[in-house]
Amino acid sequence: QIVLTQSPAIISASPGEKVTMTCSASSSVSYMYWYQQKPGSSPRLLIYDTSNLASGVPVRFSGSGSGTSYSLTISRMEAEDAATYYCQQWSSYPPITFGGGTKLEIK
Amino acid sequence: QVQMQQSGPELVKPGASVKISCKASGYAFSTSWINWVKQRPGQGLEWIGRIYPGDGNTNYNGKFKGKATLTVDNSSSTAYMQVSSLTSVDSAVYFCARNYSYTMDYWGQGTSVTVSS
Repeated sequence: QIVLTQSPAIISASPGEKVTMTCSASSSVSYMYWYQQKPGSSPRLLIYDTSNLASGVPVRFSGSGSGTSYSLTISRMEAEDAATYYCQQWSSYPPITFGGGTKLEIK
Repeated sequence: QVQMQQSGPELVKPGASVKISCKASGYAFSTSWINWVKQRPGQGLEWIGRIYPGDGNTNYNGKFKGKATLTVDNSSSTAYMQVSSLTSVDSAVYFCARNYSYTMDYWGQGTSVTVSS
């Protein structure tokens, strides 16, 4: 199965700061998907097909990448963005796999 | 609007089974796969499997074959997951989520399962 490795594990950012987190796949994948999860809540789809914003997602979020390397960027950090972010692949299936998560904290 | 409403928390004894429900509304239930995802306390997300209500077809993560069983009741637009032979490692929050293309767009609120004697 394809293993997704997210880095960094934890990141701290100030309001207004640009934030980038990465997801590395053990083998090439066609697309990457990103979710946001806040404590006590369900995951929320942010990005589909590598770079498309899901409905209602603020435009400060963006996704990019190809092959084995993908990234999620927040152009300007807001307090409400504090959460854990997971990448997910479906190229090599089953199983669908998720990364271990990047926890984003507000400074 | 699309909603996935899951059943309430469960406290179950080791060795027992538990059956969790996920009632869908706001869309044509039989036309979208339903995924199930496990999250242990403080841990990441793990895909268990998925079921297509239209014909009952299932796909499982090999790790959960024999552990989880997915079913549906189309008359009530409800998906079910039974987890058997429970041990402490099965203590987790279990989510259902509607399939959209190659991802999951609407999620239930999660069902907490605690395995304890």
